[in-house]
Amino acid sequence: DAGVTQSPTHLIKTRGQQVTLRCSPKSGHDTVSWYQQALGQGPQFIFQYYEEEERQRGNFPDRFSGHQFPNYSSELNVNALLLGDSALYLCASSLVASYEEQYFGPGTRLTVT
Amino acid sequence: AQSVTQLDSQVPVFEEAPVELRCNYSSSVSVYLFWYVQYPNQGLQLLLKYLSGSTLVKGINGFEAEFNKSQTSFHLRKPSVHISDTAEYFCAVSDFIQGAQKLVFGQGTRLTINP
Repeated sequence: DAGVTQSPTHLIKTRGQQVTLRCSPKSGHDTVSWYQQALGQGPQFIFQYYEEEERQRGNFPDRFSGHQFPNYSSELNVNALLLGDSALYLCASSLVASYEEQYFGPGTRLTVT
Repeated sequence: AQSVTQLDSQVPVFEEAPVELRCNYSSSVSVYLFWYVQYPNQGLQLLLKYLSGSTLVKGINGFEAEFNKSQTSFHLRKPSVHISDTAEYFCAVSDFIQGAQKLVFGQGTRLTINP
């Protein structure tokens, strides 16, 4: 049973550029959440997708956007990159009706120079 | 909105010694609590969870936690640690908004095991 997978593993971008990160949820899961983890901090909720719609959003600017596909996989897009966007981006999957744990992927390390 | 406070940013202990990592959450009518572990350059792995029932929760790798509603705490304990337990530990609480569950994490506690 494949767990949550994310690609790429690492990414280096320049300020002002755009980036797309990808996530495939755990088999059987229908909900994908994205978190940003800055160095030395706990993960911060960005947004959650279910049925290809954004259900809930954290305190992040509109430069952060996402998408969910019919197969439940998801993308996180960040436009006009800032140095402060450098972080580990974590994808987590779960079942929409569940209040149990979210399963996390290994993350994508984004460095903005 | 829910919040979580991890009281220690770093905890150094000797191998085979007991350890307690402290976590306090903001009060709520019902609460779902989690402890996750993050090894270097990896994602988060669930150690244990409290959803309801017994206040003493046992998890993987010999860890356990006790839910204390009156003190709004969910401290993580292990009676004897190993070098392999060196990692970052995160306490988290579920926050539900319009039916959507998000996890609210503490700042993390870095556990360092010394031989």
